[in-house]
Amino acid sequence: DGGITQSPKYLFRKEGQNVTLSCEQNLNHDAMYWYRQDPGQGLRLIYYSQIVNDFQKGDIAEGYSVSREKKESFPLTVTSAQKNPTAFYLCASSDRRGQPQHFGDGTRLSIL
Amino acid sequence: GQQLNQSPQSMFIQEGEDVSMNCTSSSIFNTWLWYKQDPGEGPVLLIALYKAGELTSNGRLTAQFGITRKDSFLNISASIPSDVGIYFCAGHSGTPSGGSNYKLTFGKGTLLTVNP
Repeated sequence: DGGITQSPKYLFRKEGQNVTLSCEQNLNHDAMYWYRQDPGQGLRLIYYSQIVNDFQKGDIAEGYSVSREKKESFPLTVTSAQKNPTAFYLCASSDRRGQPQHFGDGTRLSIL
Repeated sequence: GQQLNQSPQSMFIQEGEDVSMNCTSSSIFNTWLWYKQDPGEGPVLLIALYKAGELTSNGRLTAQFGITRKDSFLNISASIPSDVGIYFCAGHSGTPSGGSNYKLTFGKGTLLTVNP
């Protein structure tokens, strides 16, 4: 079945450590996105990519980094510079021509 | 930047009741989307609206794209326990024919609780 796979489902980070969240899609979508969700909040855009080897900062990019080396993959690294990383992270993808975004099932990141 | 005000923040209803929620924007959108999120999962698309005045149904769900392009509402008829979850509206100002911005702006969600 086509879809978006995020892994792991749960992730724990120690202070000063970088962690990488995986997002893979087999929908052949050009665009991919990373969002952060905090309790009682809407989704906030971290980074997005509309094409391979290109990506742009979203509204809250500080402390995060991404890469887009393959069309189907868009990993997110939460760096030690992100001082409040505990959140639910959602990856999404869409066709570049403005079709609705479809989401993975998320990764919950917590600090040890 | 663009902002979406979604209301109500939460609703507690009895099974069988109808539900209505809405979103208003500070600027014009060309696409309105409604998503539902179950606990610990990603949002699932319910309805997409592309045209001002458009009224679209998906089973017991009905959504409308406001004439002003600055609002949208979602109705759920005859609610059932599995309707429980968080409902998000989202919109963007991109156009399908061009390479413009498709970044979505999200409302903060409406938490729906259905008592059996």
